[in-house]
Amino acid sequence: AQTVTQSQPEMSVQEAETVTLSCTYDTSENNYYLFWYKQPPSRQMILVIRQEAYKQQNATENRFSVNFQKAAKSFSLKISDSQLGDTAMYFCAFMPDYGGATNKLIFGTGTLLAVQP
Amino acid sequence: EAQVTQNPRYLITVTGKKLTVTCSQNMNHEYMSWYRQDPGLGLRQIYYSMNVEVTDKGDVPEGYKVSRKEKRNFPLILESPSPNQTSLYFCASSPTGLAGVGEQFFGPGTRLTVL
Repeated sequence: AQTVTQSQPEMSVQEAETVTLSCTYDTSENNYYLFWYKQPPSRQMILVIRQEAYKQQNATENRFSVNFQKAAKSFSLKISDSQLGDTAMYFCAFMPDYGGATNKLIFGTGTLLAVQP
Repeated sequence: EAQVTQNPRYLITVTGKKLTVTCSQNMNHEYMSWYRQDPGLGLRQIYYSMNVEVTDKGDVPEGYKVSRKEKRNFPLILESPSPNQTSLYFCASSPTGLAGVGEQFFGPGTRLTVL
């Protein structure tokens, strides 16, 4: 079975500092996709960043970047220059690549990040 | 505006009273899915649909039904709700094929409480 583990239920960071959220996953698949979703208090699910497993280069989106370690099955999210608006629940998610046969997302349990002023 | 809509956003009901949560998307996506979110468990898939008239169970389908008579709509039906179905529900959609292996578009969520 494919699983996603987020071992940090809660984290806190000072505004303007850098924070890293960890995520590990378990799969026997070679082709897959990894995502980080943000869920602010509004409850809306917002895609933060996406990584294709076949790409060695780590994905980056402005202040958000990932450290993808395929052999270790690790996919951490780094938030630089943290802002108050980054306060949210963050979910790591995995999608096996079955050529579009199914688009199922498998989620971790989430990390609640609080950015302190 | 491209979006996934859900109704109602909030619902309080009693055990055994049938209810339907509607989901509609305006992006002509083939794939639609329902998830429930519970504290400490993340989001878990209930049902999904790859296209019209094609539905299949996800990880937690017990107590739920779905239908896909039109491409844009994917309602979630609770025939006899029970308190353990109290949860936050999300509908999501995406294209299938290579175009769909990427971002799924989520609805705003429905907070359901079953007394």
